[in-house]
Amino acid sequence: GAGVSQSPSNKVTEKGKDVELRCDPISGHTALYWYRQSLGQGLEFLIYFQGNSAPDKSGLPSDRFSAERTGGSVSTLTIQRTQQEDSAVYLCASTEPGQHEQYFGPGTRLTVT
Amino acid sequence: GEDVEQSLFLSVREGDSSVINCTYTDSSSTYLYWYKQEPGAGLQLLTYIFSNMDMKQDQRLTVLLNKKDKHLSLRIADTQTGDSAIYFCADKNTGTASKLTFGTGTRLQVTL
Repeated sequence: GAGVSQSPSNKVTEKGKDVELRCDPISGHTALYWYRQSLGQGLEFLIYFQGNSAPDKSGLPSDRFSAERTGGSVSTLTIQRTQQEDSAVYLCASTEPGQHEQYFGPGTRLTVT
Repeated sequence: GEDVEQSLFLSVREGDSSVINCTYTDSSSTYLYWYKQEPGAGLQLLTYIFSNMDMKQDQRLTVLLNKKDKHLSLRIADTQTGDSAIYFCADKNTGTASKLTFGTGTRLQVTL
């Protein structure tokens, strides 16, 4: 079946602009995660959604970062007033109810110039 | 806080076995994972092991877990050039929203 999809695959933006990154989880998966993969920082957790519960935002690096998940499915990660240090690959993952395997999308490569 | 560590690089010859090692600090880890990342691609889940197990085998892959030493390894038998990639270990603690904590990744280079 279809895996996790993310769009766009690449995004180049100017410093100070806002960007939105989209994640479509696997159908039926109730848990959704955002991670960031950057040079020198490895893979770091950003935010976690589980069903209708309040999201765990403990990994968001600053208040310029926010995410929402509409209808328990698609999620959008928004970065406001982008900075060069925001350049990274943003990865989304989803998990089936009651399971523990996280399946990752291909990522969005964000470059802030 | 939690920490997961891996060596950065491993080179093996085609046909040999590869062993990628990982250490972690969180004694509350419940599941430990191995992911593979090929150039320009996302993370592919290879295998995982529950913390009350000490070994899991899946075709060419063998995972060994030493919970006492907090040491995890991934053995790839008969390594092929298609196995060249970065391998990440990760652990999950159910007390932390089920997020994964990743190691820095080990780049496996397979030579002819």
